[in-house]
Amino acid sequence: GAGVSQSPSNKVTEKGKDVELRCDPISGHTALYWYRQSLGQGLEFLIYFQGNSAPDKSGLPSDRFSAERTGGSVSTLTIQRTQQEDSAVYLCASSSGGAGGDEQYFGPGTRLTVT
Amino acid sequence: SQQGEEDPQALSIQEGENATMNCSYKTSINNLQWYRQNSGRGLVHLILIRSNEREKHSGRLRVTLDTSKKSSSLLITASRAADTASYFCATVGSAGGSYIPTFGRGTSLIVHP
Repeated sequence: GAGVSQSPSNKVTEKGKDVELRCDPISGHTALYWYRQSLGQGLEFLIYFQGNSAPDKSGLPSDRFSAERTGGSVSTLTIQRTQQEDSAVYLCASSSGGAGGDEQYFGPGTRLTVT
Repeated sequence: SQQGEEDPQALSIQEGENATMNCSYKTSINNLQWYRQNSGRGLVHLILIRSNEREKHSGRLRVTLDTSKKSSSLLITASRAADTASYFCATVGSAGGSYIPTFGRGTSLIVHP
């Protein structure tokens, strides 16, 4: 079946502009995660959605970052007034949301470059 | 932080050799997961091992977990050039709340043909 998809695959934007990144999780997966990865680094957790529960936003680095998940499916990560340090690959993952945490399926990522 | 730390940071071996990577963490876990990342296929889940398990196998992969030492190892036997990738461990804490995997910085493995 279809995996996790993300769009766009690449985004170049000027400092100060807003960007929206999209994630389509695997159908039926109740859990959705956003991470970002800087060059040569591990994954930094940003935000987590689980079913109809309030999202866990504890990883968002500033109030310029926000995310929503509509209808329990598609998610959009918005970065307002982008800064150069926001440049990274933004990864989305989904999982079946099993108790205790289960394997995640990752999308190909969106490479964001802020000039 | 629950973050796992992989060791070594980089590993270079010849095809056919075994590769061992280690992961250490700080607090109690519910499970520990290993992922592989290469440019061709992105991040892919390899194995999940639960806190009450000590060893799991999947093909040429063997994962061990020692909760008393708060460490895990990933062994790749008879390595192939296609195993060249970065390998990450991710820990899911058992302290309650959100079950969010926390990733380490990874081990970069190069397998020379």
